[in-house]
Amino acid sequence: EAQVTQNPRYLITVTGKKLTVTCSQNMNHEYMSWYRQDPGLGLRQIYYSMNVEVTDKGDVPEGYKVSRKEKRNFPLILESPSPNQTSLYFCASSLSAGANVLTFGAGSRLTVL
Amino acid sequence: AQSVTQLGSHVSVSEGALVLLRCNYSSSVPPYLFWYVQYPNQGLQLLLKYTSAATLVKGINGFEAEFKKSETSFHLTKPSAHMSDAAEYFCAVRLSGGYQKVTFGTGTKLQVIP
Repeated sequence: EAQVTQNPRYLITVTGKKLTVTCSQNMNHEYMSWYRQDPGLGLRQIYYSMNVEVTDKGDVPEGYKVSRKEKRNFPLILESPSPNQTSLYFCASSLSAGANVLTFGAGSRLTVL
Repeated sequence: AQSVTQLGSHVSVSEGALVLLRCNYSSSVPPYLFWYVQYPNQGLQLLLKYTSAATLVKGINGFEAEFKKSETSFHLTKPSAHMSDAAEYFCAVRLSGGYQKVTFGTGTKLQVIP
């Protein structure tokens, strides 16, 4: 089944404790992206990647890192999480840019205490 | 540059009534436009997309949207609301010409009243 898989789905952590949210897709998509969803703010793009070793900042990249060493994986790294990073995170992928549709993961709900 | 504005964070309609969710966009080049739906505790899934082939676009579950360049709008409609349409709806824009970024609106929660 074609899908985007995120892990963990739920996580509670404390300020400053490094964490990684993994994202993997099995559709050979070139484009991958991370979003955070907050009430009243919709989805805001954190980082995106057009292909292996090619990443770029979205609208809210502060406090996050990403890497794209393999085509299928695009992990989101929070080096020193803070409470304002408590949010619902979505990974998405598409074949390429343009009119191609994004396929979303099920989401990862992160709470930083 | 690109942006999307969705008017109305919450919309309530009666079952069987017309659904109208508004989306206006801003873009420096011809856009690709999308409507996604998010059901509770799920990720987003595509309802429909505009890619310049036709201005009236039909999607899944009876939804459709019309691209109006003069009004920079891409409103989503459905003639008759069902209870199962209760969800949050997001409009999104991606620029043509190889631009990578996809920008989403703030979302509209649709409530369907029996």
